[in-house]
Amino acid sequence: QQKVQQSPESLIVPEGGMASLNCTSSDRNVDYFWWYRQHSGKSPKMLMSIFSNGEKEEGRFTVHLNKASLHTSLHIRDSQPSDSALYLCAADTNTGKLTFGDGTVLTVKP
Amino acid sequence: GGIITQTPKFLIGQEGQKLTLKCQQNFNHDTMYWYRQDSGKGLRLIYYSITENDLQKGDLSEGYDASREKKSSFSLTVTSAQKNEMAVFLCASSIDRFSGNTLYFGEGSRLIVV
Repeated sequence: QQKVQQSPESLIVPEGGMASLNCTSSDRNVDYFWWYRQHSGKSPKMLMSIFSNGEKEEGRFTVHLNKASLHTSLHIRDSQPSDSALYLCAADTNTGKLTFGDGTVLTVKP
Repeated sequence: GGIITQTPKFLIGQEGQKLTLKCQQNFNHDTMYWYRQDSGKGLRLIYYSITENDLQKGDLSEGYDASREKKSSFSLTVTSAQKNEMAVFLCASSIDRFSGNTLYFGEGSRLIVV
């Protein structure tokens, strides 16, 4: 059974600060990683995805992937209170089965 | 754009009761999913369906049945509701089963067992 491990479980950063979230899969068949964001009481929405080694940047959000270690990280610079949410990492194995981790709760303090 | 509609929004039942959640999507997507989310936690896959009439077990399928009789709908049945499975059930869909396709979620159905 594939496991997706996320760390830390929770994170508090000051407004304007940098938030760094981690995710690792135990399945060598994973070929795509996703990051979803879920605000309290809402459904998850796709934030970013990555499938090749290296880095991908979209505005204040940067995702890194190391395929050899099956590790991805999400970095949010200039964090805003509206970024406070549950961040979910998901691993995709091209079979239709998408496995999520337990998430990281990010709180941005004004 | 499309939408995923889950009914009911709240489902209240008694312990041991059989309860059914329904999900409809108008994206014309092939693949649909049911996830369970316990309070403040991640998503655990119950069942998914690659295409109409297909069913695949996820990591948490015991105690649940699913049905995909039409491309646009996917239902989930809790075969014998227990108090420890009060959670939010999320339905999702994607274009197909292949990597790289975004999942779109419904607003969720909350199960309450009394």
